[in-house]
Amino acid sequence: EVQLVESGGDLVQPGRSLRLSCAASGFTFDDYLMHWVRQVPGKGLEWVSRISWSSDRIEYADSVRGRFTISRDNAKNTLYLQMNSLRVEDTALYYCARGSSRSFDYWGQGTLVTVSS
Amino acid sequence: QSALTQPPSASGSPGQSVTISCTGTSSDIGGYNYVSWYQQHPGKAPKLIIYEVSKRPSGVPDRFSGSKSGNTASLTVSGLQAEDEADFYCSSYAGSNNFVFGTGTKVTVL
Repeated sequence: EVQLVESGGDLVQPGRSLRLSCAASGFTFDDYLMHWVRQVPGKGLEWVSRISWSSDRIEYADSVRGRFTISRDNAKNTLYLQMNSLRVEDTALYYCARGSSRSFDYWGQGTLVTVSS
Repeated sequence: QSALTQPPSASGSPGQSVTISCTGTSSDIGGYNYVSWYQQHPGKAPKLIIYEVSKRPSGVPDRFSGSKSGNTASLTVSGLQAEDEADFYCSSYAGSNNFVFGTGTKVTVL
């Protein structure tokens, strides 16, 4: 069974940093590209970033480019999102999702990031 | 990249059909056959129900169907059931390894 479990969400002040993790199991992790998608509670979904299986192709949404860094450790079956210079508008539930056929075929349950002074 | 446009709400009685539209541009929906749809129940993670415009993942009932014409994609839920009440989101590949989601539609089963 495919499982994605996010962790690392917290309450942080604006300008601070946070690193999210996503532990994957139930599939061959390094066969798949992975994504981060976020959702403000009660609002819609926003694609954040994606990383290829070998980490050689990385893309970001304009809203986070230059502040967030996606990475993965295939030996640990883990996806990461380093978030720097956090803003109030980054407050959201962050999901990791597996990529397949340019869709998001499996999702974790999300980890909540709250940016507030 | 602007969000794809969906109607905020849609509804139907049990057994009826409901169709949700998702409008984008030639840079996303119109440019690629990579539209996907997600169902999200309250407090739950989104679930993929349609990919590549009209394909269903294993286990998704054939009551769910997708199509595309020009810059607009559509999801039809036939034979509405109580458990279909949820939020639905479309998504499209937008080139250069970027993706965009729709604004979301709340489906109510009357």
